[in-house]
Amino acid sequence: QKEVEQDPGPLSVPEGAIVSLNCTYSNSAFQYFMWYRQYSRKGPELLMYTYSSGNKEDGRFTAQVDKSSKYISLFIRDSQPSDSATYLCAMGYGQNFVFGPGTRLSVLP
Amino acid sequence: SQTIHQWPATLVQPVGSPLSLECTVEGTSNPNLYWYRQAAGRGLQLLFYSVGIGQISSEVPQNLSASRPQDRQFILSSKKLLLSDSGFYLCAWSALSEAFFGQGTRLTVV
Repeated sequence: QKEVEQDPGPLSVPEGAIVSLNCTYSNSAFQYFMWYRQYSRKGPELLMYTYSSGNKEDGRFTAQVDKSSKYISLFIRDSQPSDSATYLCAMGYGQNFVFGPGTRLSVLP
Repeated sequence: SQTIHQWPATLVQPVGSPLSLECTVEGTSNPNLYWYRQAAGRGLQLLFYSVGIGQISSEVPQNLSASRPQDRQFILSSKKLLLSDSGFYLCAWSALSEAFFGQGTRLTVV
C-alpha cells in the first residue's frame, strides 16, 4: 500500500460546480496536512494547511481532515476556469513530507 | 516575507554534460531545503534535503549530488548527465511544517 493515495483524475467539471478532491494515507505519524495547486510548468503553490481533524475554510476552499479514517479532502465551491490545475495533497511529520501524485482538474466555462 | 528563487526555468543539455541548478531563499534563516524531481503522473520524488550548511541527505542514489555552501543556497549538480535525468526539478524550503516551492526547472537531456 502506498503511503499516500490520491484520486487519479483527471476531473472535468462545469464552471460553478462544487469539486471534491480526496486523499487517503496509511501512516499515523502524519501531523499536518496540506493541499497544493500546481499550474502547468509551474511549481506547486500552497493552498491550505491544517494540523487537526475537522474543517478549515479559506474563501471558496475548504480542507477537511479525518485522522481516524486517515483521509483528507479539499472542496472547491463555485469553481472557476482559473481553478483548472493539478492539485496535490501532502502530509508531514517533523521535516518529512509525502506528496500524493496529484489530481488534474479542468473547470469548463 | 519569504521568497524562493530557482533558476534556470528551462534547460536543454547534451548527454554527458555537467549540470548545476541553483536555489536561493530570502527572508528566513536556517531553512530546511529540498530538491525534488517530478515525473508526470508520479508525484514528487525527494532527491536531497538539507537541515544546515554542508549537511546533505540523499534519498535516492543516482547520478546527482547536492551542496549547500551557504545557509540559504542549495545547488543540485551532476558531473555527467544521462538521458534519464530529464525531468522537472523543484527546490523547496520549510521552517516549521509547510513546504514552499520554487517555480521549477524543466531539464531536457538530449
